[in-house]
Amino acid sequence: EPEVTQTPSHQVTQMGQEVILRCVPISNHLYFYWYRQILGQKVEFLVSFYNNEISEKSEIFDDQFSVERPDGSNFTLKIRSTKLEDSAMYFCASKQDRGNSPLHFGNGTRLTVT
Amino acid sequence: QKEVEQNSGPLSVPEGAIASLNCTYSDRVSQSFFWYRQYSGKSPELIMSIYSNGDKEDGRFTAQLNKASQYVSLLIRDSQPSDSATYLCAGSNTGNQFYFGTGTSLTVIP
Repeated sequence: EPEVTQTPSHQVTQMGQEVILRCVPISNHLYFYWYRQILGQKVEFLVSFYNNEISEKSEIFDDQFSVERPDGSNFTLKIRSTKLEDSAMYFCASKQDRGNSPLHFGNGTRLTVT
Repeated sequence: QKEVEQNSGPLSVPEGAIASLNCTYSDRVSQSFFWYRQYSGKSPELIMSIYSNGDKEDGRFTAQLNKASQYVSLLIRDSQPSDSATYLCAGSNTGNQFYFGTGTSLTVIP
């Protein structure tokens, strides 16, 4: 069964450094999402992406965050200058179409900022 | 009101019992509803989708949707220790935005 793939599974970085989290959504899916989950807390929406542009973003998704779909298969989340509070699990998800289809999640990238 | 609200639990049931998980939603959530299971340190895994009023059954799982009451539930029959996880209720709107509840922690006691 097709799946959403995320790399790396674990990223450790120093505060102030830039990180890029990578995702390969399911190939025929049209909608792409990033969520984050701080340890022990709820799944929080960051951003949704459709037709090569951001469709919605949350208050969390401030100027230090950006997303890109550089080559038609990868979907990346960049954090320009990481903060300690960015430490979390980051999940990429994709959705097939505009109808009732569900989100399919990748296995996540655990980001640790030291 | 939050878009999707769940009792955070924890909920404990003995093995073999029925576990009942509940969720309410606001007017912003109108299209479709989903239940995800999340094991500790893992990603959410889709268990059930439901779009129409009534019940939908899949194996030991039954999802129930009542749009008039803005209520969706998940019943797990013959609960197993492997069902111990956090269950996330989610709803979507016509704009393809998904709203997640805070999750209900379920423990099935052998």
